Amino acid sequence: EPEVTQTPSHQVTQMGQEVILRCVPISNHLYFYWYRQILGQKVEFLVSFYNNEISEKSEIFDDQFSVERPDGSNFTLKIRSTKLEDSAMYFCASSGIGARAGELFFGEGSRLTVL
Amino acid sequence: DAKTTQPNSMESNEEEPVHLPCNHSTISGTDYIHWYRQLPSQGPEYVIHGLTSNVNNRMASLAIAEDRKSSTLILHRATLRDAAVYYCILHNSGGYQKVTFGTGTKLQVIP
Repeated sequence: EPEVTQTPSHQVTQMGQEVILRCVPISNHLYFYWYRQILGQKVEFLVSFYNNEISEKSEIFDDQFSVERPDGSNFTLKIRSTKLEDSAMYFCASSGIGARAGELFFGEGSRLTVL
Repeated sequence: DAKTTQPNSMESNEEEPVHLPCNHSTISGTDYIHWYRQLPSQGPEYVIHGLTSNVNNRMASLAIAEDRKSSTLILHRATLRDAAVYYCILHNSGGYQKVTFGTGTKLQVIP
């Protein structure tokens, strides 16, 4: 069964450092997403991406965040200067179109720890 | 976004059926009802979705009220692996729309 893969599974970084989280969505999907989940809290939407541009972003997704689909297969989330409060699980997801657009397939997540 | 209401938590005995309710009284005609679940330390997982008719798949069944103001996710025989947070989400596929997670129902399965 096709799946979304994410790397790294866990990253520890110092405050102020740049971090790139990588995702390989399901190959025939057209919508791509990043979500995050702070420990013990809800899964929160960060950003969606379609047709090589951001479709929607939340208030969390400020200028420190960016997304890119550099080579037609990878989908990356970059945090330019990490803060302590960026510590969370980051989930990538992808979906198809039409009635299946709400059927998101999630990766296992990348745990980011900012010290 | 149309809102859903779910109980915070439920318990079930292993190998018994579980009925997880969801109210969505402000649902619009083009909203699909989606269910996801999140097992401990994992990403959310799609379970099932429907529009008007009841739906079955290998994971669960979805029973949708005739007026569509409520739905019930049915796990026919709960296993310990079904212990998770279950999310009922409305999604309008008329155009692009993100999936927004609420707090869901935490299901505990008792051996």
